Amino acid sequence: AQSVTQLGSHVSVSEGALVLLRCNYSSSVPPYLFWYVQYPNQGLQLLLKYTSAATLVKGINGFEAEFKKSETSFHLTKPSAHMSDAAEYFCAVSDRGNQFYFGTGTSLTVIP
Amino acid sequence: DAGVIQSPRHEVTEMGQEVTLRCKPISGHNSLFWYRQTMMRGLELLIYFNNNVPIDDSGMPEDRFSAKMPNASFSTLKIQPSEPRDSAVYFCASSIRGGGVSGELFFGEGSRLTVL
Repeated sequence: AQSVTQLGSHVSVSEGALVLLRCNYSSSVPPYLFWYVQYPNQGLQLLLKYTSAATLVKGINGFEAEFKKSETSFHLTKPSAHMSDAAEYFCAVSDRGNQFYFGTGTSLTVIP
Repeated sequence: DAGVIQSPRHEVTEMGQEVTLRCKPISGHNSLFWYRQTMMRGLELLIYFNNNVPIDDSGMPEDRFSAKMPNASFSTLKIQPSEPRDSAVYFCASSIRGGGVSGELFFGEGSRLTVL
C-alpha cells in the first residue's frame, strides 16, 4: 500500500528565509512523487514531479525537491521565501497504477 | 488547451434538494477523478474513472452520491438528497494513466457547495 506523510500541518517562515516542507512516503513499488500547491479558492496546481529520472527535481516558482530513496523522503525546498508563496502544499505519491495518494497538506505562512 | 472545466463554481441549496456537479476533462485524458475537500477531512478521493469506467468508488460516502461518465468528455457527480454535511469544495481532476504512464493530475477550479 502507498501512503504519504507530511510533517507539520503549519509552517511559518520569514520573507527571504529558506522554505522546507517535509514529505515521507511509503510505496511497495518505485513511486512517482508530486508536489502540488493550492492558493485560496483555487484548485491544486502541479509544482513538480519525480518519475525516476534525476533525483533532484526543479519546479515552478523556484521550488525544488530531492528524492531520497534511503530515507523515503521527497522534501520540498525554496532558498528564499516570497510573500506570494503563502499557500497550502500537498505531497502525493502514485503507485504507477491508477491511484494517487495525497498527504494532509502543509499550510505555509510567509511573515514579512 | 483548456484545462479541466467544472460547473457550477458555487452552489447554494437547501437540504433535501438534488445537486449535480459537472466536469469536462482535458481532451485526450483517459482518467477522471472526483475529490472532496473540507477543513475537517482534507482532500478525499470519492471515485475515479479510467476510460469512462468507474474503477474505484470506495470513497463515495453513501448511496446518496452517484457519479457517471457517459463519454470521455463529460462526467457528473450527483447528490440526492443533499445534506448540510455535504457542504464542501468538490474537485474534478483528469490525467493520462495506464500503459506505464502515470501522469500528473490536472485539477479544475472546484465547485463550492453549501447545503443549508
